[in-house]
Order: sequence, then structure tokens, then C-alpha cells
Amino acid sequence: DQQVKQNSPSLSVQEGRISILNCDYTNSMFDYFLWYKKYPAEGPTFLISISSIKDKNEDGRFTVFLNKSAKHLSLHIVPSQPGDSAVYFCAASLDAGGTSYGKLTFGQGTILTVHP
Amino acid sequence: GAVVSQHPSWVICKSGTSVKIECRSLDFQATTMFWYRQFPKQSLMLMATSNEGSKATYEQGVEKDKFLINHASLTLSTLTVTSAHPEDSSFYICSARDRGGAYEQYFGPGTRLTVT
Repeated sequence: DQQVKQNSPSLSVQEGRISILNCDYTNSMFDYFLWYKKYPAEGPTFLISISSIKDKNEDGRFTVFLNKSAKHLSLHIVPSQPGDSAVYFCAASLDAGGTSYGKLTFGQGTILTVHP
Repeated sequence: GAVVSQHPSWVICKSGTSVKIECRSLDFQATTMFWYRQFPKQSLMLMATSNEGSKATYEQGVEKDKFLINHASLTLSTLTVTSAHPEDSSFYICSARDRGGAYEQYFGPGTRLTVT
């Protein structure tokens, strides 16, 4: 049962344009969402997160939007840079402050390629 | 800040032997550490949640007698793959939650295990 889904395996964007990465989830009990960036043979790097009580969080070029009614979140990168090329994972946490210790459920990842 | 290291970064071992992987939080205390496994072109799969001073909690389908986890201090967790077989070959990644922080997990660089 894939509770967190990233339906686009890849995305190609021109440098300077906006990159929009999407993520859908099925479990309405998830209360915290995170985006990670990953290069091959390396561990994921934390990018940005959002609590379920918010609908938007912004950090520099990265903005995450959360639509709870649609169980959908997205990551916007503006402007996109060639160095952003990597695999992007969304992740969701259940009962982040409670007994599950904030364990994460990851999507399958989206390969972003930013062309110069 | 929030640096997590793993050692070794890669290891090759013979079938039937055991391998220990270390995960350290270098600049923060981690009450909770997590162990993940990633197969090629797949998402990160949580194997177990490790809390300092207590037994690890394993995800369904993960053999606790095969993947021994010890979290002896607030900065160190170890994963021992016992009696390794070729199907255990994978990329193992640990993560840690900052004891005094929010819900973000910070990941180590990963360990590539190859069992021959």
C-alpha cells in the first residue's frame, strides 16, 4: 500500500523557469510533510517541510504548498538552476510528536533535470 | 549543523559473514535514529526505529535477528547485518532526529553493502 505517491518519475525544466514537483498521499492522519533532495549513492538532504496546520511554507527559492482536502502537496523551485538536478523525495510523518517518533513514509521520487 | 556520518561508506563481504555499520550524529544529540534501505531506482524503505537505551522497533517484514540494531548513546547507532547473503546487498542509510529540534530527520551519506 503506497501511502505517499509521486506519480511523475521525471521532470525536465529549463534553467530559470519554475520546477513543480507533486506528491499525493492517502493517509489523512499524516501531520507533517517534508521534501528531500538526493544524489546517487548519497543520503537525502533535507530541503523544506510543512506542518499539516499550514498550507504554505517558503524558504528562499523553495516553496511547499499543502492542500489537505485534496491530500496533495507540491514543491516549487523558482528559479530553477542546473545544480538543482537530482532526485526529489516527498515524505510524510505520522504522529510526529508522539509515539511513532516521527518515522517517515517516502514517495518513489522524481528525477528533476534542469537544462542550462 | 545537523551532520550525520556513516561508516563504512562501502563494504564488500563474503556470504555468511557479519557486517557492522555505524551511524553517528556529529553535532547534535539524537534520541531517535532510523535505518533505511534503498534498492536501485526505488524509494527508501524504513527498516527500524532506534531509540537510545531501548530496543529497536522493526517494520513489518524486517527480520530483527538478521538486522541487529543497537543505540547505545545519543550520538551512535549501529546496524549489524548477520550471516549476510547476496540478497542483503543494498544501500543502507541512517537518519537521526535532533533531540531538541523539530520533526526533520537528517540523513547520513549511506553505506553500500555488497555480499559476494
